[in-house]
Amino acid sequence: EVQLVESGGGLVQPGGSLRLSCAASGFTFSSYWMSWVRQAPGKGLEWVANIKQDGSEKYYVDSVKGRFTISRDNAKNSLYLQMNSLRAEDTAVYYCARDLGAAGYYGMDVWGQGTTVTVSS
Amino acid sequence: DIQMTQSPSSLSASVGDRVTITCRASQSISSYLNWYQQKPGKAPKLLIYAASSLQSGVPSRFSGSGSGTDFTLTISSLQPEDFATYYCQQSYSTLHTFGQGTKLEIK
Repeated sequence: EVQLVESGGGLVQPGGSLRLSCAASGFTFSSYWMSWVRQAPGKGLEWVANIKQDGSEKYYVDSVKGRFTISRDNAKNSLYLQMNSLRAEDTAVYYCARDLGAAGYYGMDVWGQGTTVTVSS
Repeated sequence: DIQMTQSPSSLSASVGDRVTITCRASQSISSYLNWYQQKPGKAPKLLIYAASSLQSGVPSRFSGSGSGTDFTLTISSLQPEDFATYYCQQSYSTLHTFGQGTKLEIK
């Protein structure tokens, strides 16, 4: 079964750090672009970042550039999101997702269940 | 950055109705437009990719059209399980922005 399972969410103070993980199974992880998408409480979806199959290309939404780092370990079938200098507005459910197709141009066809990040003092 | 604007933001319809949701990009995105369905408390589900390609397993009552800047998602005959929020997303630029969503409610 194709599956993505996120972990690492929790409550963190403003200015703090958190590392999210996403464990992939049931498919050849190293063949796909991977993405992180978030959803603040009661709000819409926001694309956060994505990473190429070999990690050589990474892209970020402006609001997290310089604070978040996306990475992957193909040997461990895992995707990560290192989040530093967290702000209240980073509070959201964070989803990892697989990009459909090798080029990453066709949307995200497999999603995890999400992990909740709350930034509050 | 490319901005995506959906209309309407909310919509009330009845089972059996034909419904159309529109998505407009702030610049041409060719056909790099995807549609998702999200139900409360659940992850989004890909319905349509590349503007008009139906994702595997998605019922044929869902269809997409458009290119350039204007796109539509059509549900030909609403079923009870279709009441949800729908999002468009562009994957033309390196930053894959979403529209703000359209909430489809039961009339």
